[in-house]
Amino acid sequence: NAGVMQNPRHLVRRRGQEARLRCSPMKGHSHVYWYRQLPEEGLKFMVYLQKENIIDESGMPKERFSAEFPKEGPSILRIQQVVRGDSAAYFCASSPPNRALNEQYFGPGTRLTVT
Amino acid sequence: AQRVTQPEKLLSVFKGAPVELKCNYSYSGSPELFWYVQYSRQRLQLLLRHISRESIKGFTADLNKGETSFHLKKPFAQEEDSAMYYCALLRDEKLTFGTGTRLTIIP
Repeated sequence: NAGVMQNPRHLVRRRGQEARLRCSPMKGHSHVYWYRQLPEEGLKFMVYLQKENIIDESGMPKERFSAEFPKEGPSILRIQQVVRGDSAAYFCASSPPNRALNEQYFGPGTRLTVT
Repeated sequence: AQRVTQPEKLLSVFKGAPVELKCNYSYSGSPELFWYVQYSRQRLQLLLRHISRESIKGFTADLNKGETSFHLKKPFAQEEDSAMYYCALLRDEKLTFGTGTRLTIIP
């Protein structure tokens, strides 16, 4: 099992462009979480998804940010019209359907730089 | 809202000395707490969870509800313990992280 995969690992965008971050959960995992880490801060929850459903998006900024987890393919975090303040590390985590231990497995992260 | 505080940004300890990484939380309910570790150039990984009351790599953490703390301890530090450590609280499927403590073990 390769673990949670994220790509790209590094992404550079100019202000106003769109950023698309991908996350492939571990095999057999049906729950995906996105977190953002700004410089000098801890990881902050953004959104929790199951296949084809957004369960909790209470941590998502109201504008420009969206997330999806389609029936087939990876989960996508999309940031439209990026601004300098979006520069951060974005982490994805996944967990299995049976979450008795409530463990989330993290990907390596995507570091977004907005120039 | 829940909050996790790790007061030490940096901590240096000599090899063989005891280690304690502090974590305090604020949460009105019954907390579910974790310690995550990130070694250099590796991804974040779970170190231990309070409900398991286990010892991983010599580390233990006890939940103290009176002091709202979940400090991570190890009696004898090893060089391979150098890493970034995050305390986290789980509620409604969401993890709330502290800002982390960078632990450096001095040979």
